[in-house]
Amino acid sequence: GAGVSQSPSNKVTEKGKDVELRCDPISGHTALYWYRQSLGQGLEFLIYFQGNSAPDKSGLPSDRFSAERTGGSVSTLTIQRTQQEDSAVYLCASAPGPKATNEKLFFGSGTQLSVL
Amino acid sequence: DQQVKQNSPSLSVQEGRISILNCDYTNSMFDYFLWYKKYPAEGPTFLISISSIKDKNEDGRFTVFLNKSAKHLSLHIVPSQPGDSAVYFCAGQTSGSRLTFGEGTQLTVNP
Repeated sequence: GAGVSQSPSNKVTEKGKDVELRCDPISGHTALYWYRQSLGQGLEFLIYFQGNSAPDKSGLPSDRFSAERTGGSVSTLTIQRTQQEDSAVYLCASAPGPKATNEKLFFGSGTQLSVL
Repeated sequence: DQQVKQNSPSLSVQEGRISILNCDYTNSMFDYFLWYKKYPAEGPTFLISISSIKDKNEDGRFTVFLNKSAKHLSLHIVPSQPGDSAVYFCAGQTSGSRLTFGEGTQLTVNP
């Protein structure tokens, strides 16, 4: 597609349930990032993929969070046993190649996750 | 550890005047700085960047200034337009590493 696509755009779930968030990066982009923005906070880095591997997972807040990427394209972020503090906008971004200086990221519109 | 800080959560200016958005950082290893703009219900979009070896970069109405000794950068928008109303994020990057973003500043340009 023309841009980074994320689904669903909104997700409301009950505390304790698992959720899956999907990201379709721009075709041909090998680098993929997940960030999240909690209310009143900045963009918090979660995980970075280069191709299908994740050389930097340092931002994942707990072992309830995991992500995978298949075929060097689509990525799924999974949150198990969701908690209210997981409520945030989850943003996916892609970039043409391996991390480099002045890397401009192209962001999707995000998934607004609300945990009740 | 808040490596990039935007101390003003909001800024309001009149159309046609200058908007100045500020950003402070603590990581002296950053070698590139970027500004992103975000409209509601959309993802952030790249606006302008500056290398740490420069002190100014200009692109149309947008100019970014970098003061390395003060670990401070600012984004100037002249003249400001109502369509510039958005959240502006400052980000720092170390070569080969991810972007580290600030909290964002909500700019409102009043007609």
